[in-house]
Amino acid sequence: DGGITQSPKYLFRKEGQNVTLSCEQNLNHDAMYWYRQDPGQGLRLIYYSQIVNDFQKGDIAEGYSVSREKKESFPLTVTSAQKNPTAFYLCASSPMGDSNQPQHFGDGTRLSIL
Amino acid sequence: GQQLNQSPQSMFIQEGEDVSMNCTSSSIFNTWLWYKQDPGEGPVLLIALYKAGELTSNGRLTAQFGITRKDSFLNISASIPSDVGIYFCAGYMDSNYQLIWGAGTKLIIKP
Repeated sequence: DGGITQSPKYLFRKEGQNVTLSCEQNLNHDAMYWYRQDPGQGLRLIYYSQIVNDFQKGDIAEGYSVSREKKESFPLTVTSAQKNPTAFYLCASSPMGDSNQPQHFGDGTRLSIL
Repeated sequence: GQQLNQSPQSMFIQEGEDVSMNCTSSSIFNTWLWYKQDPGEGPVLLIALYKAGELTSNGRLTAQFGITRKDSFLNISASIPSDVGIYFCAGYMDSNYQLIWGAGTKLIIKP
């Protein structure tokens, strides 16, 4: 089945540790996105990529990093500089980044602090 | 970043009731999207609207793209238990390809 796969479903981070969240899509979409969702709140954009080897900061990029070496993959690293990383992280993709196409989402990764 | 004003924030309804929620903005949008999110899962697209005045249905769900292009409405008829969840509106403005999100409407069915 075509879709977006996020892993792991749950992740725990120790103080001072970097952790990487995986996002893979087999929809052949050009654009991919990372959002952060806090309890009772909407989605805030962390980073997005419209094409391989290129990405841009969203509204809350500080403390996060990404790479886009392959079209199918857009991993997100939560660095130790992110002081409040506990949240639900959602990855999305769309056919093209420069158009008004709906975004399709994975099932999320819940990150907690140990 | 800019947000859409989505209301109500939450709704308590009886099974079988009709539900209405809306999103408004001071800016003009060229696309409106409505998503539903179940607990612990990602949002799922319900309806996409691309033209001012457009009225689109998906089963018991109906959404409209406001004539002013500054608002959109979602109606759910004859609600059932599986309708519970959080409904988000999102939209694209003419000048920006970044998707703008509302804060969500949480739908709860009274026992």
